[in-house]
Amino acid sequence: AQTVTQSQPEMSVQEAETVTLSCTYDTSESNYYLFWYKQPPSRQMILVIRQEAYKQQNATENRFSVNFQKAAKSFSLKISDSQLGDTAMYFCAFMKTILTGGGNKLTFGTGTQLKVEL
Amino acid sequence: DTGVSQNPRHKITKRGQNVTFRCDPISEHNRLYWYRQTLGQGPEFLTYFQNEAQLEKSRLLSDRFSAERPKGSFSTLEIQRTEQGDSAMYLCASSGGREGGGYTFGSGTRLTVV
Repeated sequence: AQTVTQSQPEMSVQEAETVTLSCTYDTSESNYYLFWYKQPPSRQMILVIRQEAYKQQNATENRFSVNFQKAAKSFSLKISDSQLGDTAMYFCAFMKTILTGGGNKLTFGTGTQLKVEL
Repeated sequence: DTGVSQNPRHKITKRGQNVTFRCDPISEHNRLYWYRQTLGQGPEFLTYFQNEAQLEKSRLLSDRFSAERPKGSFSTLEIQRTEQGDSAMYLCASSGGREGGGYTFGSGTRLTVV
């Protein structure tokens, strides 16, 4: 079974600074998908960024980028120019491919609570 | 389309009672998922549907839990004879079925069993 580990329960960053959230995962698959989701307080979970494992290039979405290290099974999220609205719980998640029986099912880590401070 | 809608937002029930939650997915999404999230944890997979077919159920889903998606539209999750351990946030999500596609989540139903 796949596991996703987020070793940083809480982090804080000053507004406009850069912060990196860590995520490692364990799988025997060679093809899969990785995601970062954001869950603001009392609000719904939102997809931040998505990475396909067979793509070498790291995904980027505006101020959000990832550092995907397939051999190390590491998938960190970098948030640049942090804003107060980035304050949220961030979840790393893993998805197997449909061919390997994934069914688009997500396996989540335990989350990192990020606080952006003035 | 306003996204994935879940009702009710909050539910307080006495132990032993039955509860039912509803999820209305994005209309063009053929896949619908239920997850459970307890405090300080990430969401855990419960079950998912492709159209009206329930294709997978987690071992977390005991016999007291049942989910349906009649006609491949909205879905309901019923918990019979609730226990205090059932207290959690129940999240619904939908996706278009694209390989590796992300989900759209609803706001969840928070269940408290007293």
